[in-house]
Amino acid sequence: DSGVTQTPKHLITATGQRVTLRCSPRSGDLSVYWYQQSLDQGLQFLIQYYNGEERAKGNILERFSAQQFPDLHSELNLSSLELGDSALYFCASSVEGQGRDTQYFGPGTRLTVL
Amino acid sequence: AQTVTQSQPEMSVQEAETVTLSCTYDTSESDYYLFWYKQPPSRQMILVIRQEAYKQQNATENRFSVNFQKAAKSFSLKISDSQLGDAAMYFCAYSERERRFGAGTRLTVKP
Repeated sequence: DSGVTQTPKHLITATGQRVTLRCSPRSGDLSVYWYQQSLDQGLQFLIQYYNGEERAKGNILERFSAQQFPDLHSELNLSSLELGDSALYFCASSVEGQGRDTQYFGPGTRLTVL
Repeated sequence: AQTVTQSQPEMSVQEAETVTLSCTYDTSESDYYLFWYKQPPSRQMILVIRQEAYKQQNATENRFSVNFQKAAKSFSLKISDSQLGDAAMYFCAYSERERRFGAGTRLTVKP
């Protein structure tokens, strides 16, 4: 158990819909990262937050948005969903949000868009 | 942009033997970090080993070790005394600011 929690574990929805994925970092970690893993592919970095502020942005679509709240939990919002958005979405957390940090991964949320 | 390449989509090893997974990366930076992650069928991402680019000594963690060749931009993972529980997808990752992952190598361990 990494100490990072993600809810829900599974999500099935229809095209055009909007969903919210939630992540709670490990106790003491200030930075949260979101990744997307499509079927049998590597992880694609989406976005990083540090202590409530956006720190880095990767290959995140304009239909996607995220935020980190004062209690440090984070939410990833996916809207106007398409079939290609079906993937495993991981949240990770680290202490300082630096490249050298060990990132601890949550169990992921599997999103299926029908 | 930094890219990470894992040229072996699949590898197979006999139980108790040694296997090496390859990884190369592209960067113009001199200070960065490299990681190997294991993803078993449960899909949990588990850190196996990390290497700081400024350290010449290769990192080791029990049966796992790396061969880090900075000039060649190569970062291979050696698994010794392979066990059935080592069967998983293995991802190489590069990190300077954001972390970039390779496409992965699926390792099968034969009893």
